[in-house]
Amino acid sequence: DAGVIQSPRHEVTEMGQEVTLRCKPISGHNSLFWYRQTMMRGLELLIYFNNNVPIDDSGMPEDRFSAKMPNASFSTLKIQPSEPRDSAVYFCASSPGRRWSYGYTFGSGTRLTVV
Amino acid sequence: KQEVTQIPAALSVPEGENLVLNCSFTDSAIYNLQWFRQDPGKGLTSLLLIQSSQREQTSGRLNASLDKSSGRSTLYIAASQPGDSATYLCAVRLAYGGSQGNLIFGKGTKLSVKP
Repeated sequence: DAGVIQSPRHEVTEMGQEVTLRCKPISGHNSLFWYRQTMMRGLELLIYFNNNVPIDDSGMPEDRFSAKMPNASFSTLKIQPSEPRDSAVYFCASSPGRRWSYGYTFGSGTRLTVV
Repeated sequence: KQEVTQIPAALSVPEGENLVLNCSFTDSAIYNLQWFRQDPGKGLTSLLLIQSSQREQTSGRLNASLDKSSGRSTLYIAASQPGDSATYLCAVRLAYGGSQGNLIFGKGTKLSVKP
């Protein structure tokens, strides 16, 4: 299994530009999570999906952030317009369905720098 | 609100020492607790997953314990090696409310094992 695949690995963009981060979960995993990691706040959940449906988006910072999961094998996190304070590492993780006894598998992350 | 605390924030030990990393959480209503390892600039690697009904889990030189009633977990690393140098993160999975899928992370313990 290739694990959770995220792209791009690194993204540098100018303030005001749109940024799209991509994630492919492990095949058969029905739950997908987007996390953001910063030095100040550590790892924070932004949104999670179950069976492609957003379950909890209370961690999405503001309307500039949006996430979609059009099918079981693909999700995007979009920031429009981007701001320097969005600079962070964004992780995607997946887990097998609603069996909360399962653990999470994380991708390698996307390091976003907004200048 | 669930809070996860890890002590110490950083730890430096000579090679060969046995060591213990601590994790505490404020609400015992959890499904499970997971320990992760994060190398600089990398993603999270799952080390051990302990269900709420379990007391400990072992993998090689690693042993994690869970005392749910007191809100504590420890990660024991035997015969530490320089390759163990990384940040170790503890995370609990909530067992209530709309965010049952949410993993709440501690800020981590940065471990350095000196040759």
